[in-house]
Amino acid sequence: RKEVEQDPGPFNVPEGATVAFNCTYSNSASQSFFWYRQDCRKEPKLLMSVYSSGNEDGRFTAQLNRASQYISLLIRDSKLSDSATYLCVLRSNDYKLSFGAGTTVTVRA
Amino acid sequence: DAGVIQSPRHEVTEMGQEVTLRCKPISGHDYLFWYRQTMMRGLELLIYFNNNVPIDDSGMPEDRFSAKMPNASFSTLKIQPSEPRDSAVYFCASSLRYEQYFGPGTRLTVT
Repeated sequence: RKEVEQDPGPFNVPEGATVAFNCTYSNSASQSFFWYRQDCRKEPKLLMSVYSSGNEDGRFTAQLNRASQYISLLIRDSKLSDSATYLCVLRSNDYKLSFGAGTTVTVRA
Repeated sequence: DAGVIQSPRHEVTEMGQEVTLRCKPISGHDYLFWYRQTMMRGLELLIYFNNNVPIDDSGMPEDRFSAKMPNASFSTLKIQPSEPRDSAVYFCASSLRYEQYFGPGTRLTVT
């Protein structure tokens, strides 16, 4: 079983819609969680860290469910510029990060 | 502020040639990571350094790959000899704590 699993999508949504997707992880000892976004042919960029109590950053909301071992990302009021691949990332017990394969989101006009 | 700098951005080489990729981390960051990304395998960690010392090289695919960090502001990843299956995007990332910041990558094509 992969350490980090994501639905690859694609999620095709109209501008202004809300889109949400999850990521599951297998290592219960995972300590830190992040969402990165990656645009086509670009580098991954940190979108937000995910805290135990859940957190928001503008239109983006991240949740962590340790009992069920998943994290989620919700994007409200989608913009065309939100079209990207969203990578679920976790850290276990050192400084290495484990990356999921990504969920592709396409926002259409 | 300057981010992570990588060079070259694109490299096309013939099988059997030596390839050297370069990275300058963000100033003050004490962790440096080398990754490889392909469609088939996604993003794979090759090696990482802390304070210029290699900590974990378990992701280095084979002896053809080597990495060095002679000082806090420079690292190299070398492939010798290169093979077509090494074609990928190679990213360097640096961090001070857990959040990693990636460079723009080097797109390597080995023919």
